[in-house]
Amino acid sequence: AQTVTQSQPEMSVQEAETVTLSCTYDTSESDYYLFWYKQPPSRQMILVIRQEAYKQQNATENRFSVNFQKAAKSFSLKISDSQLGDAAMYFCAYRSSWENKLVFGAGTILRVKS
Amino acid sequence: DVKVTQSSRYLVKRTGEKVFLECVQDMDHENMFWYRQDPGLGLRLIYFSYDVKMKEKGDIPEGYSVSREKKERFSLILESASTNQTSMYLCASSLRDEGFSGNTIYFGEGSWLTVV
Repeated sequence: AQTVTQSQPEMSVQEAETVTLSCTYDTSESDYYLFWYKQPPSRQMILVIRQEAYKQQNATENRFSVNFQKAAKSFSLKISDSQLGDAAMYFCAYRSSWENKLVFGAGTILRVKS
Repeated sequence: DVKVTQSSRYLVKRTGEKVFLECVQDMDHENMFWYRQDPGLGLRLIYFSYDVKMKEKGDIPEGYSVSREKKERFSLILESASTNQTSMYLCASSLRDEGFSGNTIYFGEGSWLTVV
């Protein structure tokens, strides 16, 4: 079974600085998807960014980018120019190419200091 | 925008009660999911459904059942609530994956259940 590990329970960043959230996963598959979801205090889970395993190019979405290292099974999220609205719980998630369900990590709480 | 609506945000139920958590999506999605969220454990899949009247067990189905009589609605049922089922419950939906398209999964706002 696939597993997702987020080793940082909490992280802090100063406003306007850059922070990187770590995620590793374990799978024997070669085709899959990886996601970062954001869950603010309102509890609505929001998709931040996604990466297809067959793509070598790292995904980017405005201030959010990933460092996808397939051989190392690592999928970190970089947030640039951090804003107060970025404060939330961030979940890394894995999805097999042949299943529709997501497997989640335990989450990382990100605090943004002004 | 996709809308996944969970009918109750906060519920308090007594041990042994039968509890229904309702979820409705408005985008004609084939797939629907129920996850449970606990601190330090992330989200864990309870049940999912690929179509009307279809259901599949997830990773932690014990103590739960589900019902999907209509495409847009997916209900989670706790037959006899227990205190260890106190948790946040998240419903989600997505289109059926045709080929290698990796359709995005959309979540509701969550239902916080306390069993006393």
